[in-house]
Amino acid sequence: NAGVMQNPRHLVRRRGQEARLRCSPMKGHSHVYWYRQLPEEGLKFMVYLQKENIIDESGMPKERFSAEFPKEGPSILRIQQVVRGDSAAYFCASSLLTGPNEKLFFGSGTQLSVL
Amino acid sequence: AQTVTQSQPEMSVQEAETVTLSCTYDTSENNYYLFWYKQPPSRQMILVIRQEAYKQQNATENRFSVNFQKAAKSFSLKISDSQLGDTAMYFCAFMKHAGGGADGLTFGKGTHLIIQP
Repeated sequence: NAGVMQNPRHLVRRRGQEARLRCSPMKGHSHVYWYRQLPEEGLKFMVYLQKENIIDESGMPKERFSAEFPKEGPSILRIQQVVRGDSAAYFCASSLLTGPNEKLFFGSGTQLSVL
Repeated sequence: AQTVTQSQPEMSVQEAETVTLSCTYDTSENNYYLFWYKQPPSRQMILVIRQEAYKQQNATENRFSVNFQKAAKSFSLKISDSQLGDTAMYFCAFMKHAGGGADGLTFGKGTHLIIQP
């Protein structure tokens, strides 16, 4: 049973380009979370999705960032018109159910570098 | 809002020694969960240990144990008989009981633990 798969592992973009980060949750998991890790910082919550629904996007910047988790296929975190401050590691996690008793399984992250 | 503070940016110990990583937090919640995650150079976040706030007994997982002091809002991690593979970033994290898995995870800035041979 494969773990949470994120790709690409490294992504380089120039300022103004779009970045698309993909996350395939563990098999059978319908809850997906995205976190961002800036250098020398812990992870910061961005968004929580269930299949086809955004449940909580309170940690997502209001502009340029969007996320989706379609019925079929991976969850996508999309960053439009990237700026240098978007450079960070973006982590996806999934769980079978929701709640503090549910274990979160993390992917290995996508390192986004904006030139 | 919750805050999690890890005051030790980096620690280094010899192999086989015992090391304690500190973590304090601030919250007005009464029911919550505390976690320690390990992030090795592979970058993957691995759950090390979990503590429910309503439990007085400190959680233990093999060589890893915690000292949970609810009144002091302190949650330290003790690693016994440290091994080279323990070298990693360690993050303390907080989750509200009612928050579910979504916004509930608040992380500290991490402690870089280095185990010397």
